[in-house]
Amino acid sequence: NAGVTQTPKFQVLKTGQSMTLQCAQDMNHNSMYWYRQDPGMGLRLIYYSASEGTTDKGEVPNGYNVSRLNKREFSLRLESAAPSQTSVYFCASSPVLNTEAFFGQGTRLTVV
Amino acid sequence: KQEVTQIPAALSVPEGENLVLNCSFTDSAIYNLQWFRQDPGKGLTSLLLIQSSQREQTSGRLNASLDKSSGRSTLYIAASQPGDSATYLCAVRGSQGNLIFGKGTKLSVKP
Repeated sequence: NAGVTQTPKFQVLKTGQSMTLQCAQDMNHNSMYWYRQDPGMGLRLIYYSASEGTTDKGEVPNGYNVSRLNKREFSLRLESAAPSQTSVYFCASSPVLNTEAFFGQGTRLTVV
Repeated sequence: KQEVTQIPAALSVPEGENLVLNCSFTDSAIYNLQWFRQDPGKGLTSLLLIQSSQREQTSGRLNASLDKSSGRSTLYIAASQPGDSATYLCAVRGSQGNLIFGKGTKLSVKP
C-alpha cells in the first residue's frame, strides 16, 4: 500500500547543478501536485497537474519545471539549483482537483 | 489573496485533556478544508476533509467543524494521548483546486 512515493529522500546539490525529483502514485489519481515547505512559510504550491497531459503553475514556479510523464508519475526538475531552493519538497495526489489530497514523505534538498 | 492562520502556534497539554486547534481563513469562497498531521521529518497525513456544504466531520477522537461564513474551522481532539504529539496543519481549497496552508500548530501531549 505505497500511496505516494518520492525519490530521493535526501539530496545535497552545489549551486548551478541540476536534478530531477521523482514522484509516483499507485492510487490511480488524476491530479498531482508539487509543494515546498520552508520554516515560517508553510507549504506553497509550485506546480500541479490536473490530469495526465496538463500542467499549471502554482504560487512559486520560478526556477522549476515539471513533467507529467504518465498518469502515475509527476517529476520536478531544477535546471540550475540555487541556495534559495533549499527546502523540503512534497509531492501529493488526489482523485481529481478539489478532492482529498494525499502526500508523499518528502525530499529534503540542500543547495550549497 | 486567501490567507490561512492557525492559532496557537504551539500548545502543550497533559495527557487526557480535550483540546481545540483553531484555523481561520480570509476568503470564505472555499471549496473544502482539509486537516493534516505532520510528524517531525515526515510527510503529511490527511485527518479530515470537510466540504464547504458540511458543518463537521468526525473520525475517532477527532472532530472538525467548519463555519464558512465566519472563515473558521476547529479541530477538536478528545482525550489526548502522547501519540497525538505532532504538528497539525489546516489547508483550504479554492476554486482553482490548490491547497492554501496555514503554518500549523505544534502539539505536545505530556504523559
